[in-house]
Order: sequence, then structure tokens, then C-alpha cells
Amino acid sequence: DVKVTQSSRYLVKRTGEKVFLECVQDMDHENMFWYRQDPGLGLRLIYFSYDVKMKEKGDIPEGYSVSREKKERFSLILESASTNQTSMYLCASSLYGTNTEAFFGQGTRLTVV
Amino acid sequence: GENVEQHPSTLSVQEGDSAVIKCTYSDSASNYFPWYKQELGKGPQLIIDIRSNVGEKKDQRIAVTLNKTAKHFSLHITETQPEDSAVYFCAATGVDSSYKLIFGSGTRLLVRP
Repeated sequence: DVKVTQSSRYLVKRTGEKVFLECVQDMDHENMFWYRQDPGLGLRLIYFSYDVKMKEKGDIPEGYSVSREKKERFSLILESASTNQTSMYLCASSLYGTNTEAFFGQGTRLTVV
Repeated sequence: GENVEQHPSTLSVQEGDSAVIKCTYSDSASNYFPWYKQELGKGPQLIIDIRSNVGEKKDQRIAVTLNKTAKHFSLHITETQPEDSAVYFCAATGVDSSYKLIFGSGTRLLVRP
């Protein structure tokens, strides 16, 4: 079974802090994604990566950056956390190519106070 | 960019009845349409998908139909069971990159015993 593991289920951070969300997948997938989930808005793509050190902006990249130094690991960074970044963050991975199934982690609920 | 609209936002059915969730998409170039189920406290999981060269696909109690002319696709669940209660998301591939999935806003399905 594909396993996508996010390092934390719950996080509470203070405004202005630099926050790191980590994601690891064990299936040698080329593609990795970070989504944000908010009630009534579905899942919105923040960033994705199709290879090591490669990244592309999604629909809502402002206030976020990412890092992919190894194939299995994709990190989401909140440079200076703000209260409007309080949300559920979901990491996903998929095989190389297009139109392939995405496998999701269990999510990290981040609260910024 | 691509836009996916999903209806209804909530759906309550009696156990054994059928449930139908509908989505529309904006770009005729989209060619992959997955459906995800998200149970409480978990990440979304793929339950069925359809590609643009197929009009209907069935997997036991779940079916998806696609009307490319009208740009809409639907999820049908027959003989609903309490364990079908979850949030369901439709998605379509993005216009500028088919690595990207654009998600609908989600439907919360409640199956009453």
C-alpha cells in the first residue's frame, strides 16, 4: 500500500513564526503536492513538484514556499505564519505523468494564534 | 483557469436509497475526473475515476457518468450504507497542467440508518 505520512496531525504556532510541514511518501512517486482544505472551498493547490528540486506554484502560493531535496520528501514552509493560514494541510503524491491517482496523507491541522 | 462546481453541499439519505452528486467543469480540455471520499480524521481516498474517452464506469455500488458536451459528471451510489457517510470531492485536471487536480467544494453525505 502507498503510504504518505505527514509529520504532525496537529500544530499550534504563533503569528510570525516560521513553520515547517513535512511529508514523506514510500512509493517512489515523482509527483508531490500540497493542498489546503477549508470548509466550503474544497482542496486548493498551494504548490506541486514533479521531480527533485523542481517546483511549480499552484493556485494559492502566496505566503508559502516548498522544498524537495529528496524524492520521497516534500516540505511546505510558512515563512511568517499568519492567522489566515489556520487550516488543514494535505500532502499527496502520484506517479510520474498526468492523470494518475493521487494518494493523500492524513492531514495536518495547523492553528496560528 | 479550470473551475469545478459541486452540488449539493450536503445530502442526507435513508439507508438503502441512492445518492447522486453532480459536478460541472469549465474547460473542455480536461480529460481526467476522479472522485475522492474523505472520512472523518483521514485524508481523501480515490473511490472511482473516469477518463474523457468513456461515458460511464461502474464499480459495485458506485458509478460515475461523464457528459463531455455538457461538461458535467456525476457520482451515483446505490443501496447506501451508513459507512458511506463521508465528504465526497470531485476533481478535474487543470487547464495549464494535467498534473494538477482542481477540486470541487465537497459534498457531505449522511446516510441515516
